[in-house]
This record gives sequence, C-alpha cells and structure tokens, in this order.
Amino acid sequence: NAGVMQNPRHLVRRRGQEARLRCSPMKGHSHVYWYRQLPEEGLKFMVYLQKENIIDESGMPKERFSAEFPKEGPSILRIQQVVRGDSAAYFCASSPPSGLGEQFFGPGTRLTVL
Amino acid sequence: GQQVMQIPQYQHVQEGEDFTTYCNSSTTLSNIQWYKQRPGGHPVFLIQLVKSGEVKKQKRLTFQFGEAKKNSSLHITATQTTDVGTYFCAGSGSGNTGKLIFGQGTTLQVKP
Repeated sequence: NAGVMQNPRHLVRRRGQEARLRCSPMKGHSHVYWYRQLPEEGLKFMVYLQKENIIDESGMPKERFSAEFPKEGPSILRIQQVVRGDSAAYFCASSPPSGLGEQFFGPGTRLTVL
Repeated sequence: GQQVMQIPQYQHVQEGEDFTTYCNSSTTLSNIQWYKQRPGGHPVFLIQLVKSGEVKKQKRLTFQFGEAKKNSSLHITATQTTDVGTYFCAGSGSGNTGKLIFGQGTTLQVKP
C-alpha cells in the first residue's frame, strides 16, 4: 500500500519559469493538502482540495500560484513565473474521506529557483 | 488569523535527560496533532488530542491538551539519540475543516 507520492523530489527552475509539482494521495484518500516549508521553519498551509474542488485556499498567494485535484490523476501545484523567494520544500498530505485526523505526508518536492 | 506558537525553538540535551516542548494557540482548538520530522525528511504523525485536559502516552512520550484547548505539550522521558528531529504541533480550528496550522517546531538535539 503505497504512501503519498510526490514528484519530482527535486526541481530546479530559473526565475520566470514555471514549476509543476505533483502529488498522488494514498489509496482511498480523497483529501489533499499542500504546505510550504522554508528552511528551519514550520509548515505553512497553502490549500486544501478534494476531487475537483478547492475547499480552502486561504494560504495561497494571490498571484502566480494555483492548485487543482482533477477527477483523474494527481493533484498539481503550479507556480508561474517563479522567483527566488519561491525556493522551499513543498509537502503534500492526504487524509481519508472524513477529512479529519491524521494527515499522511509525502516526501516533498525541494524547489530551487536560480 | 489563527496562530500557533511553539517553544523553545531549539533544545540540546544529554542522552538520558528529559525534554519538553510547549505549544500555544491564539484561539480555541478543536483538536491538536503532533508530528515529528527528521532532518531532510517529511512530517510523520505522532498523535492527535481532542478532549479538554486529555493526556496520552506512547512509551517515553507524554502528550497533554490543556483544559481550555488552547495549549499542549509533549514530554519525552530519558531521551535517546533516535529522538533527534523537529517536533511540530498542529492545530485545527473550530471549523474543523481539516486545515492544520503548524507551530514553528522545536528542534531536539541529543548528545550521546
């Protein structure tokens, strides 16, 4: 029973390029959360999605960032026109249909913007 | 907005000493969770507390949830080198939407 999968594990982009981060939740999980972690800091909530729905995007920057969780396929966090300040670890987590309780985290995508 | 503060930021202990990290929320929480993250790793769930005044134990780890459901603590008895990592508390607000607000974490170093 595979855990939460994220790819790529490491991503290097130049300023102005686009970054696409993918997350496949655990089997049977229908809730996906994205968090951002800067070095030696805590995790900052970005967005909470269910299949084809954005439930809470209160932590998403207003511009350049978007997220989706389509009916088929992984959840995608998209960052357009990346800047150096976007460099961070991006973690995806999933939880069972109740949406409550333990969140299972993926290994993260380390984004470096040159 | 809701904030969760955690202290201390860093703690260095000698192996065998005890360790405690404290978590305080600006608002009443519906529940609180604790996670551990090893260096270079991802957060791993430890426990969830839901009830006011709840105390739970996992071997050498003791977790408490305050009576007002605004604070929590994690206490490790007789630390071991395997306890090294960053411990995060994460609160879920009254809406109980599943969204977690994380504290800044306490990084524990254990000297053998």
